Amino acid sequence: DVKVTQSSRYLVKRTGEKVFLECVQDMDHENMFWYRQDPGLGLRLIYFSYDVKMKEKGDIPEGYSVSREKKERFSLILESASTNQTSMYLCASSLTDRVGSPLHFGNGTRLTVT
Amino acid sequence: AQKITQTQPGMFVQEKEAVTLDCTYDTSDPSYGLFWYKQPSSGEMIFLIYQGSYDQQNATEGRYSLNFQKARKSANLVISASQLGDSAMYFCAMRDGSGTYKYIFGTGTRLKVLA
Repeated sequence: DVKVTQSSRYLVKRTGEKVFLECVQDMDHENMFWYRQDPGLGLRLIYFSYDVKMKEKGDIPEGYSVSREKKERFSLILESASTNQTSMYLCASSLTDRVGSPLHFGNGTRLTVT
Repeated sequence: AQKITQTQPGMFVQEKEAVTLDCTYDTSDPSYGLFWYKQPSSGEMIFLIYQGSYDQQNATEGRYSLNFQKARKSANLVISASQLGDSAMYFCAMRDGSGTYKYIFGTGTRLKVLA
């Protein structure tokens, strides 16, 4: 079974702090993704990576950056947290770039910025 | 541009009855995949079922089936014999063959199964 692990389930940070959200997958998947989930908006893609050290902007990359130094690890960085970044953050991975390759998700990190 | 639309924010169904959750999509690429995910209140996203655009038959996985109508661009999820544990958010998602690697999601439908 694929396991995608997010380092924190709940996180509370102050405005202006630098925040790191960590994600690790154990199935040698090529692709990794960061989404944020907000009520009524569904899941929106922040960044994704299709290979080590490669990254692509998703639909809402502003205020975020990512790092993928190793295949199994994909980190989301909030450079200077703001209250509008309070959200549920979901990390996911997929085996290949084929259209039929499903996403496998972590349990999510609920981030509150005060 | 790719788009997924789920028009039912919330639905109720009686236990043991069947329920259909609607999903329509839009893409100009002839090769695409459609996925359904379940998100219980605990928060994890669980992959349920997949349908490829070239698949001749509707996908089925246990009590889940996908009513795929290509001409209408719809991919509705049918849950048969609903159980209390089916109460959750359900998301429809799509990935096309344009090489962007992106999966896009609908806004979800919250299903409540009544005893």
